[in-house]
Amino acid sequence: QSALTQPASVSGSPGQSITISCSGTSSDVGSYGPLSWYQQHPGKAPKLVIYGGSQRPSGVSNRFSGSMSGNTASLTISGLQAEDEALYYCSSYTGTNTVIFGGGTKLTVL
Amino acid sequence: QVQLVQSGPEMKKSGASVKVSCKASGYIFANSYITWVRQAPGQGLEWMGWISPNTAKTDYAQRVQGRVTMTTDTSRRTAYMELRSLRSDDTAVYYCARRLGQDYFDPWGQGTLVTVSS
Repeated sequence: QSALTQPASVSGSPGQSITISCSGTSSDVGSYGPLSWYQQHPGKAPKLVIYGGSQRPSGVSNRFSGSMSGNTASLTISGLQAEDEALYYCSSYTGTNTVIFGGGTKLTVL
Repeated sequence: QVQLVQSGPEMKKSGASVKVSCKASGYIFANSYITWVRQAPGQGLEWMGWISPNTAKTDYAQRVQGRVTMTTDTSRRTAYMELRSLRSDDTAVYYCARRLGQDYFDPWGQGTLVTVSS
């Protein structure tokens, strides 16, 4: 099964908002989304920032929000801060007791 | 707090096997699946599979099916991932994570670098 499709990179200035998209198919996102999103800083383990499409784990800033529409999910980060610069991955259940990840998006804070 | 601590880095020859451990603390180990995800150098995340410590039920990704075995030792609160017939493209950081709900993982272990050389 192919990975979910994410843009390779996005960028924004401090204080701005950015959105990262994650596109799948009716076999994964469309049927079994909600999606999860993970943040990964260089040399560190991934960290869950959104689950269930739009839910934030305890301790995650409310500047992070998630949404879904059809076969596409989005992660929005508002009020960009330097510490948000990282790789972001989406993931989806596929319905055959497996999970697939997106290819990852590098967020650069200008 | 919930924590997963993995074993140290490994260097293996092609064709060998590696077994990575993941020790859990801070929650009821039997109640949550443990998933394994790997990340090749400079690449994205690849889901490998998961195991229920309660039932030992496993699901594996097609790409590693037949070469991977995931197990748990509930008395030690530890999960294991063994990968056999190692190839150079198995060189990666291997992560364990607690599975919550259907498909999300939190927290993650610190990762274990497995290097495979010929």
